[in-house]
Amino acid sequence: GQQVMQIPQYQHVQEGEDFTTYCNSSTTLSNIQWYKQRPGGHPVFLIQLVKSGEVKKQKRLTFQFGEAKKNSSLHITATQTTDVGTYFCAGPPGTASKLTFGTGTRLQVTL
Amino acid sequence: NAGVTQTPKFQVLKTGQSMTLQCAQDMNHNSMYWYRQDPGMGLRLIYYSASEGTTDKGEVPNGYNVSRLNKREFSLRLESAAPSQTSVYFCASKGGWGAGELFFGEGSRLTVL
Repeated sequence: GQQVMQIPQYQHVQEGEDFTTYCNSSTTLSNIQWYKQRPGGHPVFLIQLVKSGEVKKQKRLTFQFGEAKKNSSLHITATQTTDVGTYFCAGPPGTASKLTFGTGTRLQVTL
Repeated sequence: NAGVTQTPKFQVLKTGQSMTLQCAQDMNHNSMYWYRQDPGMGLRLIYYSASEGTTDKGEVPNGYNVSRLNKREFSLRLESAAPSQTSVYFCASKGGWGAGELFFGEGSRLTVL
């Protein structure tokens, strides 16, 4: 079955440093979504990318979908303590009704 | 705005006991999902329902059953709980057809002793 891996599993940065998490799928994805889960909370949708090579920005967050539609990245510029949490990518292996989540990257930000 | 509501939020069971996790959404969404989350494992799909009247297995369906009672409600049943089912369970829903944002409930933390 489809596997979606994320690296790194964990990253600890100081506030103001940049952060990037990478997502790799074993199969081609029709689209990819990113979610953020705060400690003790539930996943919250951030964004969806559909086109090959697509790049989208949300303030300090930049999302990219690979040309082959098998990988994606999330980059945060100048992290803040509010960025703390686990970031998940997710994509449908075939039928668009079903999402497979990546293993997640936990981000810790300290002052 | 309730969104996706899960009950109970916490439950402790003994091995072999049964229980049902309830999920309801008030957004008129077609698709509903049950995921479990374990440390270091991300979110794994247990079952999903693409529309009212249909259910399908996800990655880890063994030991679980589901019922899509109506468009609003999607329940998850553990017939004979095992310690390996200790986890946090999330219900989610999605509107429309095809790709789209998942809305998650707050989660149900289940411990099986």
